[in-house]
Amino acid sequence: EVKLLESGGGLVQPGGSLRLSCAASGFTFTDFYMSWIRQPPGKAPEWLGVIRNKANGYTTEYNPSVKGRFTISRDNTQNILYLQMNTLRAEDTAIYYCARGATVAPGGYWGQGVMVTVSS
Amino acid sequence: DIQMTQSPSSLPASLGDRVTITCRASQDIGNYLRWFQQKPGKSPRLMIYGATNLAAGVPSRFSGSRSGSDYSLTISSLESEDMADYYCLQSKESPFTFGSGTKLEIK
Repeated sequence: EVKLLESGGGLVQPGGSLRLSCAASGFTFTDFYMSWIRQPPGKAPEWLGVIRNKANGYTTEYNPSVKGRFTISRDNTQNILYLQMNTLRAEDTAIYYCARGATVAPGGYWGQGVMVTVSS
Repeated sequence: DIQMTQSPSSLPASLGDRVTITCRASQDIGNYLRWFQQKPGKSPRLMIYGATNLAAGVPSRFSGSRSGSDYSLTISSLESEDMADYYCLQSKESPFTFGSGTKLEIK
């Protein structure tokens, strides 16, 4: 059974940093693209970025709205996806989801989401 | 960025109704269009990919279509479990962009 479990969320002050994790199981992690998507409360989702699979060199793409502040990485030995978030702002407050895809787009498997609140 | 204009934002409907939600792309996205369903407190669920392909496990009353730059999600006969928010997503060009959403609710 495919499972994606995010962790690492919480309350952080503006300007602070946070690293989210997404533990994957039930599939060959290196075969799949992995994405991060966030959703502010009551609003539409926003695609943050993707890290490609082994066959595509684990390269990354980012939404310009977070490029330079957010970094996506993966540990292919422990099957964990990461989202390092720096210089956080109030507008980064959202539920953050990881998702698996057979292509660059998020597909049929998403994690349950983790809440990040940026506030003083 | 490619803009996805989704309509309507809210759609009151009755059980058994045929309903259609539409997204219009600001640029050519081919068939790189997905539809997601999201229920309160839950993660989005993939319903349609490639504009017209039903994702695994999705009931056959759901269908996707394309007419030029307009993409539609249709539910042929609304059931209570279909009440949710629906979002389109284009994945033709980074940054991938979602529509603003449609809240499907009981009339």
